[in-house]
Amino acid sequence: QTVVTQEPSFSVSPGGTVTLTCGLSSGSVSTNYYPSWYQQTPGQAPRTLIYRTNIRSSGVPDRFSGSILGKKAALTITGAQADDESDYYCVLYMGSGICVFGGGTKLTVL
Amino acid sequence: QLQLQESGPGLVKPSETLSLTCTVSGASISSSDYYWGWIRQPPGKGLEWIGTIYYSGNTYYNPSLRSRVTISIDTSKNQFSLKLSSVTAADTAVYYCGRLSVRDGYNFLSWYFDLWGRGTLVTVSS
Repeated sequence: QTVVTQEPSFSVSPGGTVTLTCGLSSGSVSTNYYPSWYQQTPGQAPRTLIYRTNIRSSGVPDRFSGSILGKKAALTITGAQADDESDYYCVLYMGSGICVFGGGTKLTVL
Repeated sequence: QLQLQESGPGLVKPSETLSLTCTVSGASISSSDYYWGWIRQPPGKGLEWIGTIYYSGNTYYNPSLRSRVTISIDTSKNQFSLKLSSVTAADTAVYYCGRLSVRDGYNFLSWYFDLWGRGTLVTVSS
């Protein structure tokens, strides 16, 4: 079964830049997987940040950007702010209506 | 107003069937541009895709849950539903319904969850 991998945790200083990644247990992530990224704070539903690799969802600040870096999808936060402290999930579309969530990355801003 | 709303029992006994409904407001569930899905999150853990349904009734399930999951759709009520049988404590989670968008506003294939319900906690306990 396909496993989507993410760093369990990451920390960034306020104003700093951080890149979170989303990989596959076997193979490379490409745009054909339509990578999307979601932000979730405790007790809240996920919020859509990025879709189709690098398109920001409506209302998402431009400090969030998506890309493919090497064999992985990536979410970069430039100029991190305190309220960026959240869990971040990537989702890959496997075709035939099937989606796989990554395990999530807990981002700490300190 | 465009929104999704989960509803159903918050407590289910072990070995019984969990049943939830998602009501879609402000959009037609019969649109060819969207699939409709269920996602869950056990306490303190990550998100897990359960399955997805198209307005035609075509369903797609997580292989790890396929034997216990049924997702159905009622276009007349603009609702879709989840049934998970033979539940155990491991099925305790917040259950979200979501809209999986096939295309974005520029008509490009996109395949992402663009709309989420607020989630409902289901506890499996006797």
